[in-house]
Amino acid sequence: EAGVVQSPRYKIIEKKQPVAFWCNPISGHNTLYWYLQNLGQGPELLIRYENEEAVDDSQLPKDRFSAERLKGVDSTLKIQPAELGDSAVYLCASSLEGKATEAFFGQGTRLTVV
Amino acid sequence: AQRVTQPEKLLSVFKGAPVELKCNYSYSGSPELFWYVQYSRQRLQLLLRHISRESIKGFTADLNKGETSFHLKKPFAQEEDSAMYYCALRGGAQKLVFGQGTRLTINP
Repeated sequence: EAGVVQSPRYKIIEKKQPVAFWCNPISGHNTLYWYLQNLGQGPELLIRYENEEAVDDSQLPKDRFSAERLKGVDSTLKIQPAELGDSAVYLCASSLEGKATEAFFGQGTRLTVV
Repeated sequence: AQRVTQPEKLLSVFKGAPVELKCNYSYSGSPELFWYVQYSRQRLQLLLRHISRESIKGFTADLNKGETSFHLKKPFAQEEDSAMYYCALRGGAQKLVFGQGTRLTINP
């Protein structure tokens, strides 16, 4: 099994441009997370989905960030417009619902805004 | 509120020496604690979870509710243990909160 798949792996864009990241979770995992990881920091949750419902988006900067998980499987995270400070690694993870279940992470998308 | 603190950003020990990576947490309920590891150029992956009480790659971690700690230990470090280590907490919901991470370097 491929695990959590993210694309693209790397993205370089100019500031004020839009960008989108895609995540395909492990089959059967109904919980999906998007994390932001700045250099030298731990992952910080942006949004968590249970199936197609965003159950925790309190840390998502809604003025420029948006996410969707249509049909409760794949998910897309979008930034519009991107700012220099958005340069970071964006991680997607998925897990089964329930206690003591581990989250599996994708390779991440490294975004550089110039 | 859920919070995880890893006080050491960097930790360097010699091969064969004992290792302890510190993790303290803040959570009012009964937490689930995890240690994740990220080796160079690899994805973040689970190392161990407190509920399993297991030893993985020689590492163990004991949940101390009195001290709200979940320190990661290994009696004899190996060079392949060099990596970033993240302590994580899951509270009542499925929210998974991470510490800032500790970069462990094992010197030959």
